Amino acid sequence: QQQVKQSPQSLIVQKGGISIINCAYENTAFDYFPWYQQFPGKGPALLIAIRPDVSEKKEGRFTISFNKSAKQFSLHIMDSQPGDSATYFCAARVMGGGNKLTFGTGTQLKVEL
Amino acid sequence: DGGITQSPKYLFRKEGQNVTLSCEQNLNHDAMYWYRQDPGQGLRLIYYSQIVNDFQKGDIAEGYSVSREKKESFPLTVTSAQKNPTAFYLCASSTSGTLTYEQYFGPGTRLTVT
Repeated sequence: QQQVKQSPQSLIVQKGGISIINCAYENTAFDYFPWYQQFPGKGPALLIAIRPDVSEKKEGRFTISFNKSAKQFSLHIMDSQPGDSATYFCAARVMGGGNKLTFGTGTQLKVEL
Repeated sequence: DGGITQSPKYLFRKEGQNVTLSCEQNLNHDAMYWYRQDPGQGLRLIYYSQIVNDFQKGDIAEGYSVSREKKESFPLTVTSAQKNPTAFYLCASSTSGTLTYEQYFGPGTRLTVT
């Protein structure tokens, strides 16, 4: 059972463009939504995270938009750069669930020159 | 230099053999986790431990076993009962408590079983 659905599976964006990755969930007990960035052969690293009482969070070129009523959240990468080429995972944590994360299936982003 | 180490980076085994993957952290974190990563399936939780000498099954624990005898170490054994063991295995750790969030990941071990 996939509790966090992520799309698209892959994405190609021109340098300087906006990359948008979407995630949707069903479980209303989720209380924390992080995005992880993973380069080939490496472990994921936390990029940015949001809690459901906030509709948007921005850190540099990375923004999370959160729509609680629609149970959707998205990652926006502004001014995308070739160095942003990586796989991005959304995730969600159940409140009181021992900090276990449920991950989306990932989006492979390629930023072309 | 604090962090999580996993060894080896690549591991090859014959079918029917048990194999143990190492995970060590010097972040003084109470909680540790094991994930399996397969192409197109994201990360799936195998086991997690919130404190020494205690651990719980994740979503795909069948065919795996763990131990947590020390705070710094959380080894994962892939047994011969695991039907499809070839995968990229990731270990993570975090602080423990109701307000903890970030999980820090190690560099992973790629296991190939033939």
